[in-house]
Amino acid sequence: GEEVAQTPKHLVRGEGQKAKLYCAPIKGHSYVFWYQQVLKNEFKFLISFQNENVFDETGMPKERFSAKCLPNSPCSLEIQATKLEDSAVYFCASSPGGELFFGEGSRLTVL
Amino acid sequence: RKEVEQDPGPFNVPEGATVAFNCTYSNSASQSFFWYRQDCRKEPKLLMSVYSSGNEDGRFTAQLNRASQYISLLIRDSKLSDSATYLCVVGEPSGTYKYIFGTGTRLKVLA
Repeated sequence: GEEVAQTPKHLVRGEGQKAKLYCAPIKGHSYVFWYQQVLKNEFKFLISFQNENVFDETGMPKERFSAKCLPNSPCSLEIQATKLEDSAVYFCASSPGGELFFGEGSRLTVL
Repeated sequence: RKEVEQDPGPFNVPEGATVAFNCTYSNSASQSFFWYRQDCRKEPKLLMSVYSSGNEDGRFTAQLNRASQYISLLIRDSKLSDSATYLCVVGEPSGTYKYIFGTGTRLKVLA
């Protein structure tokens, strides 16, 4: 597609529940990134992929967060056992190797 | 010291004013530089890539000063619709595909 498509737009979970977010990158872009933006506007890098391979996962809280980019499927970011502090907007971005192009984000609210 | 620093503002300017933002970065090996615009918790949208020679797009001019490690964004003839948060994004050395985000500068253009 011509734009990064993220679903769902909004997701509400109780503490301890699982949350799964999806991202379809722009066709032809080799790189996919996940960022978390919380209230103070700061973008926290989570993970990046080069095609279906993890490129950099230094930002991932590994105990509860996992992500995949499988061929012919949207990329996914999964949070097991959500915590209140996971409430944020999760942005996916794709890139051909220069500029980042962002999806509209998925707003996760953990109650 | 933060890797990428921006004055958070807000910058309150009247319509028609010229306003300039700076962004400093700490890694002298950084390779790519971008200005993004983010409206009210929506996705960041690419405003301009910033090149060594400087670049201009209509009312917007971006400059890169590698010696002093900052980039700037100048907006001439401000419009109400320019009100947004302007994010400075710095790409780390070639091949890392790592991007560092500033916390953004809020601009409010007043009628």
